[in-house]
Amino acid sequence: QLQLQESGPGLVKPSETLSLTCTVSGASISSSSYYWGWIRQPPGKGLEWIGSIYYSGSAYYNPSLNSRVTISVDTSKNQFSLWLSSVTAADTAVYYCARQVAVAGTGLWAFDIWGQGTMVTVSS
Amino acid sequence: QSALTQPASVSGSPGQSITISCTGTSSDVGSYNLVSWYQQHPGKAPKLMIYEVTKRPSGVSNRFSGSKSGNTASLTISGLQAEDEADYYCSSYAGSTTVVFGGGTKLTVL
Repeated sequence: QLQLQESGPGLVKPSETLSLTCTVSGASISSSSYYWGWIRQPPGKGLEWIGSIYYSGSAYYNPSLNSRVTISVDTSKNQFSLWLSSVTAADTAVYYCARQVAVAGTGLWAFDIWGQGTMVTVSS
Repeated sequence: QSALTQPASVSGSPGQSITISCTGTSSDVGSYNLVSWYQQHPGKAPKLMIYEVTKRPSGVSNRFSGSKSGNTASLTISGLQAEDEADYYCSSYAGSTTVVFGGGTKLTVL
């Protein structure tokens, strides 16, 4: 059974870089049928797509965050990671990693499997 | 890239049907049949309920259905049950390998 698990610091200081890792278990991250994405949700607010990556390393980002975001993939560890630089209090949120379908007819661009989420607070 | 527009809240009584709208633009919802809907209970991760406008993942009740007309997609839940009370989010492919979410709708089962 496929599972995704986020990990990383729960507290980050303003102006520093937020770093999270998503570990995929139960399936290979190197599948050609999926992207792997990050989505966040500020407390009491809606979902925001941050970006997604293919196993080949091709990454796609939300234009509003593009200048601060980097997503990478490590197929040997079955993990992908998020870096968000120059964080402020507005980046305080629950961060989810999720599998994103890359094949038409089976849920193209939908996030079909989600991690449980991890809360990251930006505060000094 | 602006968030898709959803009503902040909807409500209905058990057994009734409700519809949640999701309005985008000709650059996202209107251009692609790639709208998804997610259900999120408090403190839980979202769950995919509808993909590619009308399709249901395995295991999702057929009480949930999706549709689209122009720049507006809709999620209909028939035969409302108490367990349907949750937040619902739409999302759409928005071109140039980007995705946009709606602001979310809180469904209350009266």
